[in-house]
Amino acid sequence: QVQLQESGPGLVKPSQTLSLTCSVSGGSISSTGYYWSWIRQHPGKGLEWIGYIYYSGSTYYNPSLKSRVTISVDTSKNQLSLKLSSVTAADTAVYYCASCSSGYYFDYWGQGTLVTVSS
Amino acid sequence: EIVMTQSPATLSVSPGQRATLSCRASQSVSSNLAWYQQKPGQAPRLLIYGASTRATGLPARFSGSGSGTEFTLTISSLRSEDFAFYYCQQYNNWPPKLTFGGGTKVEIK
Repeated sequence: QVQLQESGPGLVKPSQTLSLTCSVSGGSISSTGYYWSWIRQHPGKGLEWIGYIYYSGSTYYNPSLKSRVTISVDTSKNQLSLKLSSVTAADTAVYYCASCSSGYYFDYWGQGTLVTVSS
Repeated sequence: EIVMTQSPATLSVSPGQRATLSCRASQSVSSNLAWYQQKPGQAPRLLIYGASTRATGLPARFSGSGSGTEFTLTISSLRSEDFAFYYCQQYNNWPPKLTFGGGTKVEIK
């Protein structure tokens, strides 16, 4: 059973860069057919796909966030990372990492981590 | 961008009754649709993919149907643990632009 765990600061100042890490256990981040994803959920709202990465390094981002997002993978640590630059209060959300089967649907999720953007 | 619209926003159902949730796509997504359940304070859980294939271990009271632009998630006999939010998600684009519906809250009547 694949398990994912997000970690990172819960508070980020406006204009700074949000940085999160997701540790994957119970499976290899180098598994073929899986894309490793970040999804966020604004308080009391629905879900927004941020982007994902294949272990080879290929990345795909939501066009609405593409200019500010970087997703990377460290296969030696079985981790993926998210960087979101120039954050504003609108980036306050629960951030989830998830595995995405064949790049289609999300079958395993982390518990999520709340990131608040505030001075 | 493919817009996913879910209805109703809130569905009030008595335990043991049937719940029918709808999801509409702004353009055809074939059968490239998934459903998720989310309880307060928890991550979403995959229920259905390919519009009608149940995820491993999902009880048979959950079923998905539809194709193209109209999809339905049916819970045949609601149990207490089924009261939650439900989201649909399409995965029809390449390069990907995965989008979710706004969700339906299933509450106890």
